[in-house]
Formats: sequence, C-alpha cells, structure tokens
Amino acid sequence: KAGVTQTPRYLIKTRGQQVTLSCSPISGHRSVSWYQQTPGQGLQFLFEYFSETQRNKGNFPGRFSGRQFSNSRSEMNVSTLELGDSALYLCASSPRTVNTEAFFGQGTRLTVV
Amino acid sequence: AQTVTQSQPEMSVQEAETVTLSCTYDTSENNYYLFWYKQPPSRQMILVIRQEAYKQQNATENRFSVNFQKAAKSFSLKISDSQLGDTAMYFCAFTLTRGEYGNKLVFGAGTILRVKS
Repeated sequence: KAGVTQTPRYLIKTRGQQVTLSCSPISGHRSVSWYQQTPGQGLQFLFEYFSETQRNKGNFPGRFSGRQFSNSRSEMNVSTLELGDSALYLCASSPRTVNTEAFFGQGTRLTVV
Repeated sequence: AQTVTQSQPEMSVQEAETVTLSCTYDTSENNYYLFWYKQPPSRQMILVIRQEAYKQQNATENRFSVNFQKAAKSFSLKISDSQLGDTAMYFCAFTLTRGEYGNKLVFGAGTILRVKS
C-alpha cells in the first residue's frame, strides 16, 4: 500500500500570497488531519476531515482552511501569508473514526519570505 | 483540555545501552490512547508504540517498551540496545477515544535523542 503523500515537498511564498497544500491519504483511509510544526510552538493540530466533513478544528485563525474530496484527498489553504506561517505542515491519515493509529506523510516545508 | 509534557529537551545514549524518555499528560477523561512517535531527520513521523489506557499491561515492540502509570499520568518510553538509527526526535502524543474528539493528536514538545557510537 502506498503511504501518505504530501505535495509539494517544499514551497517558498511571499508575504500576502496564498498557498494550497495537498495530501493523499492511504487508500481506504477516510480521516485526514493536518498539523503545523514549528521550532517555537511544536506540533499543533490544525483540523481534521472525515468523509468530507470537518470534524475538529484547532486554534488557528480563519486564514487557515481546508477541505476534503470524495476520494479522501485533502487540501489545506492558507491565505494572506505571514512570516510566522513558515513551518512544516504534516498530514496524517487514519482508517477509523477514533485514532488508534495515525500515518503521517513527509510534510510540506513552507517558507514565507 | 488535554496537555502532554516532555521535560527532557535532549538526551544522549551510547550505542547498545538503554535510555528512558519521560512523558506526563493531563486529562480528566478515562478512555484514551497514548503514543510515542519518532521523527528522524527525514521528517517522516513514525509510530513507535501505542498504549490503550484501559490496558494495564505495558506495551512492548521489540526493543521499545513503555512504563504506563495511569494514576500518575505518566508514560515513559524505554529503548533497549540503542542503535545509531534510533537518533531522532521523539514525541509523546495523546488522543481521546470519544467519537466527537475525532482523530486529533495532542503532542508534547519532543525529546531529541542522540545515539553515540
């Protein structure tokens, strides 16, 4: 089985721009979660989608949004980028509604200049 | 709110020796899972071991074992016969098993483990 795939792996954007990151979960997994990882704040939960519905949301501003498609692939969007949005964005997929195991992608490294 | 604390920012161990990483958590819930994840320089988060809160027996996966003390809300990871490939950042993580909580993981700050030859 193919693992969780995140694209792109690296991204450089300018302040004020917007960005879209993509995550393809493991086949058959209906849950996709997104996390932001920074040296200062560590790993923080952004949101989770299950069967195209947002089930849970972390404490991030409305500039961060996401969606999930019928094939379970998910995208997250960050609008009006700020320097502080520079981070590693990780996606995790799970097969069930309750997290007995999450499988992570390799992440997208976003740099905002 | 659920919180996870890892009080050791960095640790080092000699190859073939044993090391223990500490983790404490805070929750008022009874049903949850605890995990240890490893993040090597490649950034890929890999599940090392997991523990269901309702199980009294400590989980073991080859050279990795946990000491789960539910009353003390402590969940330490022991790595035996340390190998160079164990060098990584280790994260302790927590999730509730309530349906509405979803698959949200709460992570500790991480411990950098360096295995020396």
